[in-house]
Amino acid sequence: AQSVTQLDSHVSVSEGTPVLLRCNYSSSYSPSLFWYVQHPNKGLQLLLKYTSAATLVKGINGFEAEFKKSETSFHLTKPSAHMSDAAEYFCVVAHPANTGKLIFGQGTTLQVKP
Amino acid sequence: DSGVTQTPKHLITATGQRVTLRCSPRSGDLSVYWYQQSLDQGLQFLIQYYNGEERAKGNILERFSAQQFPDLHSELNLSSLELGDSALYFCASSPLERGDQPQHFGDGTRLSIL
Repeated sequence: AQSVTQLDSHVSVSEGTPVLLRCNYSSSYSPSLFWYVQHPNKGLQLLLKYTSAATLVKGINGFEAEFKKSETSFHLTKPSAHMSDAAEYFCVVAHPANTGKLIFGQGTTLQVKP
Repeated sequence: DSGVTQTPKHLITATGQRVTLRCSPRSGDLSVYWYQQSLDQGLQFLIQYYNGEERAKGNILERFSAQQFPDLHSELNLSSLELGDSALYFCASSPLERGDQPQHFGDGTRLSIL
């Protein structure tokens, strides 16, 4: 069975400061992991994905995430937050080979203060 | 623009009614997924189709059904609607059916049951 836990339901940062959104996963196999972002009244947009290649994954808009198997974590970071980063972020796990069923975390709302 | 089109954007109906949500996947994508997003349950996988055939089922109620047509568009049918079915319904698509494939999401259909 797979599951994913996002450790913070709400994160608030000031513009220009670093962002850290935390995610832990549970899986009986080496999973595929994704981060998606959802802006208000919009669908989900893929930020980045991990599929057993490099453990440090670079995504769009300056985001990156590091896969740490020993810690079962896949935290999302960005060196400097921008106002446009304010949104809801979802950490997602999937079996890499079977069906494409995605298991979503509960989401983290990122607030960026001017 | 993800390339995934969902119609209608909004749907308001009454309890006991039946509705159909439509999804056109990205050009070339063979796999279609349906997800439900609600405040209490978060984002949940409902069902997946690949090239016209059902591939995986999640927490989909018996009152709900879906299909994928030869032109690859998909429809999600919701019947005997209840207040608790009010939610945002997303469709996503990917080229193949594997879990390591990023999924591209439509903007969703917001269903309100009065």
